[in-house]
Amino acid sequence: EPEVTQTPSHQVTQMGQEVILRCVPISNHLYFYWYRQILGQKVEFLVSFYNNEISEKSEIFDDQFSVERPDGSNFTLKIRSTKLEDSAMYFCATRDIPNFTYNEQFFGPGTRLTVL
Amino acid sequence: DQQVKQNSPSLSVQEGRISILNCDYTNSMFDYFLWYKKYPAEGPTFLISISSIKDKNEDGRFTVFLNKSAKHLSLHIVPSQPGDSAVYFCAASECGRDYGGSQGNLIFGKGTKLSVKP
Repeated sequence: EPEVTQTPSHQVTQMGQEVILRCVPISNHLYFYWYRQILGQKVEFLVSFYNNEISEKSEIFDDQFSVERPDGSNFTLKIRSTKLEDSAMYFCATRDIPNFTYNEQFFGPGTRLTVL
Repeated sequence: DQQVKQNSPSLSVQEGRISILNCDYTNSMFDYFLWYKKYPAEGPTFLISISSIKDKNEDGRFTVFLNKSAKHLSLHIVPSQPGDSAVYFCAASECGRDYGGSQGNLIFGKGTKLSVKP
C-alpha cells in the first residue's frame, strides 16, 4: 500500500540554525500539507500546497517557514532560523484530487525536531 | 480558540465492550469530519469519515455518528479490542471551499487516549 515517507525521523539542531524537513508524497497525490504537534498538544495545521504554490497557511507559518517541491517528488519544509518553541513532531500529509465529499489526508510518520 | 473539542482526555474500556469517543465542534462551516488513530512515534492513521450530508457512516467495527444540530459527532467501536488502544483524534474541515484549490486543511481536537483492557 502506498504511503507517505518523511526524513529524517529525528533532527536535533541548535537554536538559530536552518533545518529542512523532507516528505515524499504518495505518487498520484496532488495536495500537500504540513502539520505539527508540540508534545502533549494537538496536531496543528501549518500550510497547504497545490500546483507549486501555497494555498493556505496558518498564523504559525510565519516568515521563518517556507515550503517547496524542488524536484517534483520531494516536498520540503524549511525553517530558516529555528527557535526553541519550534521543537515538535512535524507531519507531512497528502491527498488525491479534490472531491466535494472527500478529504482524507494520509499522514507520514513524522519528523521529531528538537531545538537546543 | 478550540474549534474542535474532545473533552475526554482518556477512556478505559473492557475488551469486547463498546468504546464511545466524543467530539464537539463550533464552526458551522465544517462539512467533513474524520477520525484518526495514532500510535506513539507514528503519524495519524485515517480511520473513518463522514460528510455533513449524512448522519451515520459504518465501516466494520467502526461507526461514526453526526448530529449537526448539536454540532457533535461520536465514534463507536464495537467490539473493542486491545489493539484498538491508541490516541484517537477527531478532525474537521471545510471541503465546500475546495473549488479546485487545496483548501480543506484539517482542524484537530486534542485527542482521547483509549485503553482497551483484556
